[in-house]
Amino acid sequence: EIVLTQSPATLSLSPGERATLSCRASQSVSTYLAWYQQKPGQAPRLLIYDASNRATGIPARFSGSGSGTDFTLTISSLEPEDFAVYYCQQRSNWPRTFGQGTKLEIK
Amino acid sequence: QVQLVESGGGVVQPGRSLRLSCAASGFTFSSNGMHWVRQAPGKGLEWVAVIWYDGTNKYYADPVKGRFTISRDNSKNTLYLQMNSLRAEDTAVYYCARSSNVHDALDIWGQGTMVSVSS
Repeated sequence: EIVLTQSPATLSLSPGERATLSCRASQSVSTYLAWYQQKPGQAPRLLIYDASNRATGIPARFSGSGSGTDFTLTISSLEPEDFAVYYCQQRSNWPRTFGQGTKLEIK
Repeated sequence: QVQLVESGGGVVQPGRSLRLSCAASGFTFSSNGMHWVRQAPGKGLEWVAVIWYDGTNKYYADPVKGRFTISRDNSKNTLYLQMNSLRAEDTAVYYCARSSNVHDALDIWGQGTMVSVSS
């Protein structure tokens, strides 16, 4: 099973700042990595697929990069609605696995 | 609009069974793979199972293998999760999610249904 490790566990930033979230895989997943956003009481929402492609309707301030074992989700300038929990997920191998999540909170 | 609606959750005793349903609308259900993902209270997301668009292949997470069965009825646009021998650690919100035909990520999610396993 591929283990995804996200860091940091919690990130405290202010609106307007840049956020950088990391996801590291225990073995190569090529670019088969997605990022999801989840707000309290809501279902997750797909942000990025295949490491760097924004999903439909996702603002341009969200970007993804990386390949192999190291991936980054960047939010260029935080909006109030971006404070949430973010998960990465790999689709390289079965079983599909998620990272443990990074909570992005308002400083 | 494209929508997934789960149902069937509730409170159940350990060792008993429960069947979840996920009704799809707004897209051609028979064209997409479908997944179940769960989230224990206050915890992260855990992938549970997948079924191919035509039901020919299924994969399960190790914690549920042999106890849970994923299935689908394309004539009814409905996905199922049969959960047997339930344990306290199965307590979670269960989400169904659609696998995109373009990139295989989970692009549409239901609102979730809560399953509580308790005596």
